[in-house]
Amino acid sequence: QVQLVQSGAEVKKPGASVKVSCKTSGYTFFSYGVSWVRQAPGQGFEWMGWVSTYNDDTNYAQKFQGRVSMTTDTSTTTVYMELRSLRSDDTAVYYCARDLGLYAPPDYWGQGTLVTVSS
Amino acid sequence: EIVVTQSPATLSVSPGERATLSCRASQSVSTNLAWYQQKPGQAPRLLIYAASTRATGLPARFSGSGSGTEFTLTINSLQSEDFAVYYCQQYNNWPLTFGPGTKVNIK
Repeated sequence: QVQLVQSGAEVKKPGASVKVSCKTSGYTFFSYGVSWVRQAPGQGFEWMGWVSTYNDDTNYAQKFQGRVSMTTDTSTTTVYMELRSLRSDDTAVYYCARDLGLYAPPDYWGQGTLVTVSS
Repeated sequence: EIVVTQSPATLSVSPGERATLSCRASQSVSTNLAWYQQKPGQAPRLLIYAASTRATGLPARFSGSGSGTEFTLTINSLQSEDFAVYYCQQYNNWPLTFGPGTKVNIK
C-alpha cells in the first residue's frame, strides 16, 4: 500500500535550519512527484512547493523562494525538504504528499512533522 | 495566486441529515478542484478530485459538483465519523491554494 512516512518532531532556534524527510513506499517512486504543505497551529494549509522525483525539477511557492530546498534520494525513495532561516511563524506541521503535478491533486499524505521554532 | 474561499465556516448538522458545503475560486479552475477531510491530529484525506470524482473507497453519500469558480460538496445522511473539517483545494495553477475550511459539527 502507498505510504509516506516522515521524520520526527523537531525543535529549532530562530535562524536555524530544519530538514524533514519523507520516506515513500508502495508505488513507483519516479511516477509521482511530492508536494510539501504546512499547517500552522489551528490554521489552514499552505503549499510550499513541489519536486519531481523523475528529474529533480522543482516549483517553489514565491513566499519560500530562496529559503527552501526540496531534494530526492532515489536510492532510498526518500524526499527531503529543508527550510532555512527559521522564524517563530514557521512553527507548523509539515506534510509531504504524493503529487503527480499540476492538474492532479496531492493524494496520499505523510503523517506530518511538527517543527517548533522557539528561542 | 488563486484565492479559494469556503462557506460556511462552521456547519452544525444532526446525524442522518445532509450537509452542503460551498467553495469558490477567485478565477476559473475548470474542474481541477479537490475536497479533503481532516480530523484532529490527522493528515488530510483526499475525498473528491476533478470536482466530482470520489476517491477510491469513499462512500457514495459523499458527492461533489461544480466547475469554473463555484463548487459544492454534499454529504448525505451524515454519520458520526463524518464530523470533521473539510477543505477544498485548487490544483489548476501553481501555487496550489486551499480554502480556509468548513468545520462540520454535531448539532
